[in-house]
Amino acid sequence: DSGVTQTPKHLITATGQRVTLRCSPRSGDLSVYWYQQSLDQGLQFLIQYYNGEERAKGNILERFSAQQFPDLHSELNLSSLELGDSALYFCASSVDSLGRGEQYFGPGTRLTVT
Amino acid sequence: AQKVTQAQTEISVVEKEDVTLDCVYETRDTTYYLFWYKQPPSGELVFLIRRNSFDEQNEISGRYSWNFQKSTSSFNFTITASQVVDSAVYFCALSEGQAGTALIFGKGTTLSVSS
Repeated sequence: DSGVTQTPKHLITATGQRVTLRCSPRSGDLSVYWYQQSLDQGLQFLIQYYNGEERAKGNILERFSAQQFPDLHSELNLSSLELGDSALYFCASSVDSLGRGEQYFGPGTRLTVT
Repeated sequence: AQKVTQAQTEISVVEKEDVTLDCVYETRDTTYYLFWYKQPPSGELVFLIRRNSFDEQNEISGRYSWNFQKSTSSFNFTITASQVVDSAVYFCALSEGQAGTALIFGKGTTLSVSS
């Protein structure tokens, strides 16, 4: 158990809909990262927050957004969903803000868009 | 630009065989960090090791060992006396440790260990 929690574990929704994925980092970790894992793209970095502020952006679509709350949990919002958004979404947390330390991953949320 | 290449897509071995997973990286920075993660069939990503660019010492942890060679930009992972529980996808990753960066993952190597 990494100490990072993600909910829900599975999500099935229709095209055009909006969903919210939730992540709670390990105790003491201020950095939260979101990654998307798909068969064709592999593991791709989406966005990073550190202590409530956005720190880095990767290949995140404009339809996707995220935030980190004062209690350090984070939410990833996916809107106008398309079939191609079906993937495993991971949240990871780290003590470090600069990518120097290991990141601990949650169990992931498997999103299926039908 | 940074890049991680895991040329071996799939490897199949029989229990007790030794197996080496290759990882080659590209980066322009002199300071960087390398990682290995394991993704078993259950799907979670498990951290295995972190190495910074200034530490070329090889590391051994039980049946696992890592060989870091800056001269060839490689960070290879060896499992000695493999077991069925080692069956998983293994990812090598790189971070340049600067603001605005995150983990860059290779495509992964699927290891199947049969009994």
